[in-house]
Amino acid sequence: GENVEQHPSTLSVQEGDSAVIKCTYSDSASNYFPWYKQELGKGPQLIIDIRSNVGEKKDQRIAVTLNKTAKHFSLHITETQPEDSAVYFCAATGDSNYQLIWGAGTKLIIKP
Amino acid sequence: SAVISQKPSRDICQRGTSLTIQCQVDSQVTMMFWYRQQPGQSLTLIATANQGSEATYESGFVIDKFPISRPNLTFSTLTVSNLSPEDSSIYLCSVGYAPGTDTQYFGPGTRLTVL
Repeated sequence: GENVEQHPSTLSVQEGDSAVIKCTYSDSASNYFPWYKQELGKGPQLIIDIRSNVGEKKDQRIAVTLNKTAKHFSLHITETQPEDSAVYFCAATGDSNYQLIWGAGTKLIIKP
Repeated sequence: SAVISQKPSRDICQRGTSLTIQCQVDSQVTMMFWYRQQPGQSLTLIATANQGSEATYESGFVIDKFPISRPNLTFSTLTVSNLSPEDSSIYLCSVGYAPGTDTQYFGPGTRLTVL
């Protein structure tokens, strides 16, 4: 079955700098890759997603890139702000149409 | 996206009792899911809640421990039965809007502590 690895587990960056979180997946049949942001005490919030027919997608300060050959996808956050501090999860579709396989999460800390 | 609410937001329960968690969506959705998130961990899918039929459980989760109901397209409940301290987790409801869609949106979660 699908396996998703996420790195790093913790990322600390200076405010204003960029942050990159990387995930690798094992199943070449996976075709949907969402990213979620989870703030303390809240449910995960979908922030961006990408499908396998697209290599890159941007939404203001957030972008996701996908390398199908290498089976990895990355979240890029530019000009980081204190409100970006949270845990970020990547996921990839599993064996069924609706199943998501989740990464372990990355705690992003923005230093003032 | 729709507004998803969960009740209760948190609870403290005694060992051996049960807790029922409600998930309410303000518009009809096709798919509803229940997840468990243990402290500091990632999300684990418990089951898919099917309207009008038995839920589909993932490996390691059984109906006797996690009975699920879904009477209509906007509401579902998850019961965690015969509670033990190992059940202390956040329980999350998520929804998907259309058949074949893989995008999921999450409720705020229910934080359960078992003493």
